[in-house]
Amino acid sequence: KNEVEQSPQNLTAQEGEFITINCSYSVGISALHWLQQHPGGGIVSLFMLSSGKKKHGRLIATINIQEKHSSLHITASHPRDSAVYICAVSPAMNYGGSQGNLIFGKGTKLSVKP
Amino acid sequence: DVKVTQSSRYLVKRTGEKVFLECVQDMDHENMFWYRQDPGLGLRLIYFSYDVKMKEKGDIPEGYSVSREKKERFSLILESASTNQTSMYLCASRAGGTTDTQYFGPGTRLTVL
Repeated sequence: KNEVEQSPQNLTAQEGEFITINCSYSVGISALHWLQQHPGGGIVSLFMLSSGKKKHGRLIATINIQEKHSSLHITASHPRDSAVYICAVSPAMNYGGSQGNLIFGKGTKLSVKP
Repeated sequence: DVKVTQSSRYLVKRTGEKVFLECVQDMDHENMFWYRQDPGLGLRLIYFSYDVKMKEKGDIPEGYSVSREKKERFSLILESASTNQTSMYLCASRAGGTTDTQYFGPGTRLTVL
């Protein structure tokens, strides 16, 4: 079982729709990251959060530590939001794994049609 | 603005060739990473380095080696390229621990024929 699971894998929306991408994880974490990868490769960090909610423009990220779940919402979606959205977690100090590494979900590919 | 650059965006090599992928960051970050990204598998860590001349194996180090002689530069080496190493390779850097922002390069799409 993957330690970070995202759903859905693929998502097609019409311009203007409200979009939700989900991320569930099974390990203890110190933080959770949402990343965006546009066609062409480059990845940028959107949010890092360890509790509650963060908002940047039309993007909102929430996390529920007890339920080990995070959501990324996009309001009033636009074709330029088309990208792969990747959830990643910073594992807690007592987690055994590649030290210093994030654990990545497989990504959600979003396509917003005009 | 942090900048992470990679030596090539696209590279085509033949089986058995030695391949060098270079990554340079301009923010004096301690930590640098090499990932490969394949459809359906997501990002997988090959190697990372937490200081000059220091390195640690990631999840899939077989067939790869790395070099970090200067703080700003982290090289990934494929000693004898094979077709199963055809992939997108992404470099990243980060100042401190995993709760710091990780900055990615634009990626190198490597094809091994």
